[in-house]
Amino acid sequence: GQQVMQIPQYQHVQEGEDFTTYCNSSTTLSNIQWYKQRPGGHPVFLIQLVKSGEVKKQKRLTFQFGEAKKNSSLHITATQTTDVGTYFCAVNYNQGGKLIFGQGTELSVKP
Amino acid sequence: ETGVTQSPTHLIKTRGQQVTLRCSSQSGHNTVSWYQQALGQGPQFIFQYYREEENGRGNFPPRFSGLQFPNYSSELNVNALELDDSALYLCASSSPITQETQYFGPGTRLLVL
Repeated sequence: GQQVMQIPQYQHVQEGEDFTTYCNSSTTLSNIQWYKQRPGGHPVFLIQLVKSGEVKKQKRLTFQFGEAKKNSSLHITATQTTDVGTYFCAVNYNQGGKLIFGQGTELSVKP
Repeated sequence: ETGVTQSPTHLIKTRGQQVTLRCSSQSGHNTVSWYQQALGQGPQFIFQYYREEENGRGNFPPRFSGLQFPNYSSELNVNALELDDSALYLCASSSPITQETQYFGPGTRLLVL
C-alpha cells in the first residue's frame, strides 16, 4: 500500500546541535508536507514541497525534496528547547484528499 | 478568523458504547478530514467530507461513520467501541483554494475502558 518511511524514530540532541529527519517512498510523490506536533498537541503544518530538488528555508529549518521526488528531509540547525516535538512528513496522494503520514521522528533537546 | 475547533477535548467510554465527536472547520474551509492517532503513531486517515458527501475513506470499518453539515462542521460517529479505538481523534479542514494544506484541530482524546 501507500507508505512513507520516516527515520529515525527518536533523536536526542544537546541544545545547539543539528537535527535531521528523513522521509522515503518507493513511489514518486506529487508533493510532501511537513508537520510538527508538540507533546500533548496536534500536528501543525510547516511547509509543502512540490518541485523536484526543491529547497525551502524557515529560519533554522531547511526542507528538501529529492530530485526523484521519492525522498525528503527536514534539517534543523542549532536546535533549541522550543524545537522539542515529533516531526511528521505526510504525502497527499489525491488532490485535496487523504494525507498519508510517516511514523514521525520524536526530537528531544537537552539544555 | 477562527481556527479548527473540536469537542469534547476528552472522553471516556466503555466497550460497546457509541460516541460522537464534533468538529468546526476553519472559516472559509469546506473540506473536513478525520484522522485517528494512536499513542506514538502518526495520524491515520479515516475519511473526508466535502459538500456534505463522503469524499474518500481510509481502512476503517463501517462502524466509523460521519456527517458534514451545510455550515461545513462535521461529526465522527463510532459505534460498538473497542479498546483499540482509544486514541486522539483529529479533525482537519482545508480550503477550496489550497486543498492540499490541511489545518488540524486540537483533537479529542478518547479512552475506551
